[in-house]
Amino acid sequence: EVQLVESGGGLVQPGGSLRLSCAASGFTFSSYWMSWVRQAPGKGLEWVANIKQDGSEKYYVDSVKGRFTISRDNAKNSLYLQMNSLRAEDTAVYYCARVNVAGNFDYWGQGTLVTVSS
Amino acid sequence: DIQLTQSPSFLSASVRDRVTITCRASQGISSYLAWYQQKPGKAPKLLIYAASTLQSGVPSRFSGSGSGTEFTLTISSLQPEDFATYYCQHLNSYPFTFGPGTKVDIK
Repeated sequence: EVQLVESGGGLVQPGGSLRLSCAASGFTFSSYWMSWVRQAPGKGLEWVANIKQDGSEKYYVDSVKGRFTISRDNAKNSLYLQMNSLRAEDTAVYYCARVNVAGNFDYWGQGTLVTVSS
Repeated sequence: DIQLTQSPSFLSASVRDRVTITCRASQGISSYLAWYQQKPGKAPKLLIYAASTLQSGVPSRFSGSGSGTEFTLTISSLQPEDFATYYCQHLNSYPFTFGPGTKVDIK
Protein backbone atom coordinates (compact mmCIF):
# COMPACT_ATOMS: atom_id res chain seq x y z
CA GLU A 1 0.00 0.00 0.00
CA VAL A 2 1.35 3.39 -0.99
CA GLN A 3 1.77 5.69 1.99
CA LEU A 4 3.03 9.25 2.23
CA VAL A 5 3.39 10.76 5.69
CA GLU A 6 4.32 14.40 6.12
CA SER A 7 5.86 15.89 9.24
CA GLY A 8 7.65 19.01 10.39
CA GLY A 9 4.86 21.55 10.31
CA GLY A 10 4.21 23.99 13.11
CA LEU A 11 4.13 27.63 14.16
CA VAL A 12 6.99 29.82 12.97
CA GLN A 13 7.58 33.56 13.04
CA PRO A 14 7.77 35.60 9.85
CA GLY A 15 11.26 35.41 8.44
CA GLY A 16 11.86 32.04 10.06
CA SER A 17 12.64 28.64 8.60
CA LEU A 18 11.07 25.22 8.67
CA ARG A 19 11.89 21.88 7.08
CA LEU A 20 9.10 19.57 6.06
CA SER A 21 9.61 15.86 5.53
CA CYS A 22 7.57 13.26 3.70
CA ALA A 23 8.21 9.57 4.41
CA ALA A 24 7.24 7.31 1.54
CA SER A 25 6.50 3.60 1.62
CA GLY A 26 4.76 0.93 -0.42
CA PHE A 27 6.41 1.80 -3.74
CA THR A 28 9.85 2.24 -5.30
CA PHE A 29 10.42 5.85 -4.24
CA SER A 30 13.45 6.37 -6.45
CA SER A 31 11.38 5.66 -9.58
CA TYR A 32 8.98 8.58 -9.22
CA TRP A 33 8.94 12.32 -9.51
CA MET A 34 7.59 13.83 -6.30
CA SER A 35 5.75 17.04 -5.55
CA TRP A 36 4.70 19.47 -2.83
CA VAL A 37 1.27 21.11 -3.01
CA ARG A 38 -0.15 23.54 -0.45
CA GLN A 39 -3.56 24.79 0.57
CA ALA A 40 -4.08 27.97 2.57
CA PRO A 41 -6.91 27.82 5.12
CA GLY A 42 -10.26 27.87 3.32
CA LYS A 43 -8.56 28.32 -0.06
CA GLY A 44 -7.77 26.24 -3.13
CA LEU A 45 -4.81 24.08 -4.03
CA GLU A 46 -1.48 25.56 -5.11
CA TRP A 47 1.31 23.51 -6.69
CA VAL A 48 4.61 24.40 -4.99
CA ALA A 49 7.46 22.28 -6.36
CA ASN A 50 8.44 19.11 -8.23
CA ILE A 51 11.62 17.06 -8.14
CA LYS A 52 12.85 14.42 -10.55
CA GLN A 53 13.68 10.87 -9.51
CA ASP A 54 17.41 11.55 -9.07
CA GLY A 55 17.01 15.13 -7.87
CA SER A 56 18.63 16.52 -11.02
CA GLU A 57 15.61 18.63 -12.00
CA LYS A 58 13.58 20.84 -9.70
CA TYR A 59 10.74 23.23 -10.49
CA TYR A 60 9.06 25.82 -8.29
CA VAL A 61 6.11 28.18 -8.34
CA ASP A 62 7.36 31.76 -8.67
CA SER A 63 6.15 32.79 -5.20
CA VAL A 64 8.61 30.43 -3.45
CA LYS A 65 11.62 30.60 -5.78
CA GLY A 66 14.76 31.53 -3.89
CA ARG A 67 13.12 30.79 -0.53
CA PHE A 68 12.07 27.12 -0.70
CA THR A 69 14.19 24.13 -1.71
CA ILE A 70 12.82 20.73 -2.58
CA SER A 71 15.12 17.75 -2.10
CA ARG A 72 15.00 14.02 -1.62
CA ASP A 73 16.97 11.15 -0.13
CA ASN A 74 16.23 7.99 -2.08
CA ALA A 75 18.14 5.86 0.41
CA LYS A 76 15.75 7.00 3.12
CA ASN A 77 12.63 7.08 0.90
CA SER A 78 12.10 10.66 1.94
CA LEU A 79 11.12 13.96 0.37
CA TYR A 80 11.90 17.32 1.92
CA LEU A 81 10.92 20.95 1.63
CA GLN A 82 13.26 23.48 3.20
CA MET A 83 11.35 26.72 3.69
CA ASN A 84 13.26 29.91 4.50
CA SER A 85 12.23 33.56 4.83
CA LEU A 86 8.70 32.46 5.62
CA ARG A 87 5.85 34.89 5.17
CA ALA A 88 2.30 35.02 6.50
CA GLU A 89 1.06 34.04 3.04
CA ASP A 90 2.97 30.74 3.28
CA THR A 91 0.53 29.63 5.98
CA ALA A 92 -1.08 26.47 4.61
CA VAL A 93 -1.43 22.73 4.82
CA TYR A 94 1.45 21.26 2.85
CA TYR A 95 0.88 17.97 1.04
CA CYS A 96 3.45 15.74 -0.57
CA ALA A 97 2.27 13.82 -3.60
CA ARG A 98 3.62 11.12 -5.86
CA VAL A 99 3.75 11.99 -9.55
CA ASN A 100 2.84 9.00 -11.68
CA VAL A 101 4.28 8.15 -15.09
CA ALA A 102 1.51 10.16 -16.76
CA GLY A 103 2.55 13.21 -14.73
CA ASN A 104 -0.47 13.19 -12.45
CA PHE A 105 -0.52 13.34 -8.67
CA ASP A 106 -1.90 9.91 -7.87
CA TYR A 107 -1.13 9.54 -4.17
CA TRP A 108 -1.15 12.24 -1.50
CA GLY A 109 -0.16 12.42 2.13
CA GLN A 110 -2.49 13.68 4.84
CA GLY A 111 -0.77 17.05 4.99
CA THR A 112 1.10 19.05 7.62
CA LEU A 113 0.04 22.53 8.76
CA VAL A 114 2.51 25.40 8.62
CA THR A 115 1.45 28.59 10.38
CA VAL A 116 3.55 31.72 9.92
CA SER A 117 2.62 34.26 12.56
CA SER A 118 4.16 36.45 15.23
CA ASP B 1 1.73 30.96 -16.99
CA ILE B 2 -1.42 29.07 -17.88
CA GLN B 3 -4.48 30.07 -15.88
CA LEU B 4 -7.46 27.81 -15.24
CA THR B 5 -11.02 28.93 -14.52
CA GLN B 6 -13.83 26.72 -13.32
CA SER B 7 -17.57 27.15 -13.57
CA PRO B 8 -19.66 27.18 -11.61
CA SER B 9 -17.83 28.03 -8.38
CA PHE B 10 -20.65 26.52 -6.38
CA LEU B 11 -23.28 24.00 -7.36
CA SER B 12 -26.26 22.82 -5.38
CA ALA B 13 -27.61 19.46 -6.50
CA SER B 14 -29.64 16.47 -5.40
CA VAL B 15 -28.77 12.79 -5.23
CA ARG B 16 -29.12 11.16 -8.68
CA ASP B 17 -28.72 14.49 -10.47
CA ARG B 18 -26.40 14.74 -13.47
CA VAL B 19 -23.70 17.29 -12.71
CA THR B 20 -21.28 18.98 -15.12
CA ILE B 21 -18.31 21.16 -14.17
CA THR B 22 -16.33 23.12 -16.73
CA CYS B 23 -12.64 24.01 -16.65
CA ARG B 24 -11.17 26.48 -19.13
CA ALA B 25 -7.48 27.07 -19.78
CA SER B 26 -6.01 30.42 -20.81
CA GLN B 27 -4.16 28.69 -23.65
CA GLY B 28 -4.21 25.29 -25.28
CA ILE B 29 -3.03 22.44 -23.11
CA SER B 30 -3.85 19.50 -25.38
CA SER B 31 -5.19 16.82 -23.02
CA TYR B 32 -2.85 17.56 -20.12
CA LEU B 33 -5.62 18.00 -17.59
CA ALA B 34 -6.53 16.17 -14.40
CA TRP B 35 -9.51 16.34 -12.07
CA TYR B 36 -9.37 15.89 -8.29
CA GLN B 37 -12.00 15.50 -5.60
CA GLN B 38 -11.39 16.89 -2.13
CA LYS B 39 -13.52 16.41 0.96
CA PRO B 40 -13.18 18.65 4.04
CA GLY B 41 -10.07 17.91 6.06
CA LYS B 42 -8.85 15.33 3.55
CA ALA B 43 -6.20 15.20 0.84
CA PRO B 44 -7.28 15.53 -2.78
CA LYS B 45 -8.02 12.36 -4.71
CA LEU B 46 -7.20 11.89 -8.39
CA LEU B 47 -10.33 11.12 -10.41
CA ILE B 48 -9.50 11.71 -14.08
CA TYR B 49 -6.22 12.22 -15.93
CA ALA B 50 -5.32 12.98 -19.53
CA ALA B 51 -8.67 14.80 -19.67
CA SER B 52 -10.76 11.65 -20.02
CA THR B 53 -9.01 8.63 -18.46
CA LEU B 54 -10.60 7.32 -15.29
CA GLN B 55 -8.12 6.67 -12.48
CA SER B 56 -8.16 3.10 -11.21
CA GLY B 57 -10.81 2.52 -8.56
CA VAL B 58 -12.86 5.60 -9.41
CA PRO B 59 -16.56 4.87 -10.06
CA SER B 60 -17.66 4.92 -13.67
CA ARG B 61 -20.27 7.61 -12.97
CA PHE B 62 -17.36 10.05 -13.22
CA SER B 63 -16.22 10.99 -16.71
CA GLY B 64 -14.11 13.67 -18.31
CA SER B 65 -13.93 15.17 -21.76
CA GLY B 66 -12.36 17.98 -23.73
CA SER B 67 -9.06 19.08 -25.17
CA GLY B 68 -7.31 22.30 -25.97
CA THR B 69 -8.85 24.95 -23.74
CA GLU B 70 -12.22 23.58 -22.61
CA PHE B 71 -12.81 20.56 -20.42
CA THR B 72 -15.70 19.06 -18.50
CA LEU B 73 -16.12 16.73 -15.55
CA THR B 74 -19.45 14.95 -15.46
CA ILE B 75 -21.00 12.94 -12.65
CA SER B 76 -23.79 10.97 -14.28
CA SER B 77 -25.79 10.26 -11.12
CA LEU B 78 -24.68 12.15 -8.03
CA GLN B 79 -24.24 10.00 -4.94
CA PRO B 80 -24.14 11.14 -1.28
CA GLU B 81 -20.38 10.55 -1.13
CA ASP B 82 -19.80 12.85 -4.12
CA PHE B 83 -20.55 16.04 -2.23
CA ALA B 84 -17.11 17.65 -2.22
CA THR B 85 -14.96 20.25 -3.93
CA TYR B 86 -13.59 19.46 -7.38
CA TYR B 87 -10.40 20.92 -8.84
CA CYS B 88 -8.91 20.75 -12.31
CA GLN B 89 -5.15 20.94 -12.81
CA HIS B 90 -3.11 21.32 -15.97
CA LEU B 91 0.16 19.49 -16.54
CA ASN B 92 1.11 21.07 -19.83
CA SER B 93 4.04 23.13 -18.56
CA TYR B 94 5.36 24.50 -15.28
CA PRO B 95 3.82 25.86 -13.12
CA PHE B 96 1.17 23.13 -12.83
CA THR B 97 -1.66 25.37 -11.72
CA PHE B 98 -4.97 24.24 -10.27
CA GLY B 99 -8.35 25.74 -10.99
CA PRO B 100 -10.10 27.63 -8.16
CA GLY B 101 -12.43 24.73 -7.40
CA THR B 102 -16.13 23.92 -7.65
CA LYS B 103 -17.97 23.06 -4.46
CA VAL B 104 -20.82 20.60 -4.93
CA ASP B 105 -23.32 20.87 -2.11
CA ILE B 106 -26.55 19.17 -1.20
CA LYS B 107 -29.74 20.87 -2.37
